[in-house]
Amino acid sequence: DVKVTQSSRYLVKRTGEKVFLECVQDMDHENMFWYRQDPGLGLRLIYFSYDVKMKEKGDIPEGYSVSREKKERFSLILESASTNQTSMYLCASSLLMGDPSSYEQYFGPGTRLTVT
Amino acid sequence: QQQVKQSPQSLIVQKGGIPIINCAYENTAFDYFPWYQQFPGKGPALLIAIRPDVSEKKEGRFTISFNKSAKQFSLHIMDSQPGDSATYFCAASMLMDSSYKLIFGSGTRLLVRP
Repeated sequence: DVKVTQSSRYLVKRTGEKVFLECVQDMDHENMFWYRQDPGLGLRLIYFSYDVKMKEKGDIPEGYSVSREKKERFSLILESASTNQTSMYLCASSLLMGDPSSYEQYFGPGTRLTVT
Repeated sequence: QQQVKQSPQSLIVQKGGIPIINCAYENTAFDYFPWYQQFPGKGPALLIAIRPDVSEKKEGRFTISFNKSAKQFSLHIMDSQPGDSATYFCAASMLMDSSYKLIFGSGTRLLVRP
């Protein structure tokens, strides 16, 4: 059974703290993604990576960075957390090449981050 | 141009009803249109998907209708059940920056009353 796991389900941090969100997938997928989910805004892509040490900005990268040192692991970093980064963060993975129907994204359960 | 507009934001139906969720897009380069279902406390999961060369696709009680000329597609849930209560996201996919990425709609929260 495919699996994407995220390090924390709930996280509370203070403004200005450095925050690490970890994601691990066991499907040997090349692509990994970080989204944030906010009511009424759907899922918005923050960053994605198609290979180890590769990263591409998504639609809302400001205030975030990412790290991918191993194929199975993709980390999202908030360098200095702010209250407007309070959100649900979802990690996903997918295959890189092939028919578009094979690009199904598999999501983790999400991390609900609250910045106070 | 890369937006996918989804409506309604929320929907309440009685058991057995047929909820319909609509999505519209502008960019004709999109080539794959999946729907994702998300239950509370879970990440979204692929429900059903369609290519633009097909006008309809059915999987069980779920049907996608696709109108290429109008650049619209919709999800119909036949004989809806309380267990279908979830948030539904439409999405559109295209090749961008060496990888296929998904552009998601804003989501529809569906409640099916017993």
